[in-house]
Amino acid sequence: AQSVAQPEDQVNVAEGNPLTVKCTYSVSGNPYLFWYVQYPNRGLQFLLKYITGDNLVKGSYGFEAEFNKSQTSFHLKKPSALVSDSALYFCAVRDGYGNNRLAFGKGNQVVVIP
Amino acid sequence: GAVVSQHPSWVICKSGTSVKIECRSLDFQATTMFWYRQFPKQSLMLMATSNEGSKATYEQGVEKDKFLINHASLTLSTLTVTSAHPEDSSFYICSARAGTGWTEAFFGQGTRLTVV
Repeated sequence: AQSVAQPEDQVNVAEGNPLTVKCTYSVSGNPYLFWYVQYPNRGLQFLLKYITGDNLVKGSYGFEAEFNKSQTSFHLKKPSALVSDSALYFCAVRDGYGNNRLAFGKGNQVVVIP
Repeated sequence: GAVVSQHPSWVICKSGTSVKIECRSLDFQATTMFWYRQFPKQSLMLMATSNEGSKATYEQGVEKDKFLINHASLTLSTLTVTSAHPEDSSFYICSARAGTGWTEAFFGQGTRLTVV
């Protein structure tokens, strides 16, 4: 079964500094990888996905993620964090065998300090 | 991106009553909808997967008679929490996807259920 690990509970970063949220995954076959962001008492907003192609994926709000097959990682990055980026971030994976189910990581709380 | 609307955003009900939560895909046909439950500061727990016109597939440990799911059309799925108890209080989120391929799922805004 597919699974995702987000090793850190909380990521603190100063406004204007680079932001990285880590994610590693485990799947059978080719991974389909996703990042979502959640604001308090709201649903999840899609940020970006990796299906195939270029390992560097660009998404919404200036976020990007790099797929690394050898390290089974899909870390989320933003060159310059904003206070409004403070939220809960989820990494998710599904396998490529037609399995509809997404496996979510436990989430990372990002706090951007003004 | 595609829009998924979930209603109500929050609801308070008395123990023993039933509550229905609606999930609508506004600008696409959702062949599959998912219902999740989320506890504070925790990840999403998949409760069930529903395909239009067929019975929902429940995850292990989820009571199908307590959490009734109906996916009657390609744009609407409902979750009914029957005979609610305080321990059912939680944040419920639905998501929908248009196809069976690699399309991403789009999420509703969630429903905060409080059972008193």
